[in-house]
Amino acid sequence: QKEVEQNSGPLSVPEGAIASLNCTYSDRVSQSFFWYRQYSGKSPELIMSIYSNGDKEDGRFTAQLNKASQYVSLLIRDSQPSDSATYLCAVRRNAGGTSYGKLTFGQGTILTVHP
Amino acid sequence: DGGITQSPKYLFRKEGQNVTLSCEQNLNHDAMYWYRQDPGQGLRLIYYSQIVNDFQKGDIAEGYSVSREKKESFPLTVTSAQKNPTAFYLCASRLEGIGSEQFFGPGTRLTVL
Repeated sequence: QKEVEQNSGPLSVPEGAIASLNCTYSDRVSQSFFWYRQYSGKSPELIMSIYSNGDKEDGRFTAQLNKASQYVSLLIRDSQPSDSATYLCAVRRNAGGTSYGKLTFGQGTILTVHP
Repeated sequence: DGGITQSPKYLFRKEGQNVTLSCEQNLNHDAMYWYRQDPGQGLRLIYYSQIVNDFQKGDIAEGYSVSREKKESFPLTVTSAQKNPTAFYLCASRLEGIGSEQFFGPGTRLTVL
């Protein structure tokens, strides 16, 4: 089982729809969760971080975390063509042990928003 | 203008040559990281450093070396021992702390000819 697994893509949604991106993780002691957006040929850009169970909203983006189910998701409301990118889920154990707080990434989900 | 810089943006190397990729940050971040990304894949950790003069191997350290002589700088050398070095290399940094976030530089695309 992969440490961090994202729903297989590519995902295609019409403009104005809600895009739902999902991620599961295997390490129960994970404490910090991040979503990055990566445009083709560019480096990843942090768009959301979440640390507690529940929802966190920032503009059109909502991150949802359920530690009991080891599940984190990203919802993009009113999707725009400019949201078309690869979305990377990342998970981190916090300081302690030998992990040095390193991130473990999923393989990414390609999202296409069509007009 | 604060941030993370990587140079060069594109690098071409002949087989058998060592090359060094530069990563500099002026964010006063403690920890720095090197990742490799292959087409259609996620990021894999090569090396990371929490403090000056200390660094740890990541998941795919073979064929790579690093140094951390200054807080701002974390260069990566891709040696001739790395069998498949063509990839997109990303440097990242963050402040130490439980809630801190990791930010990436613009990347270096290395191609072996």
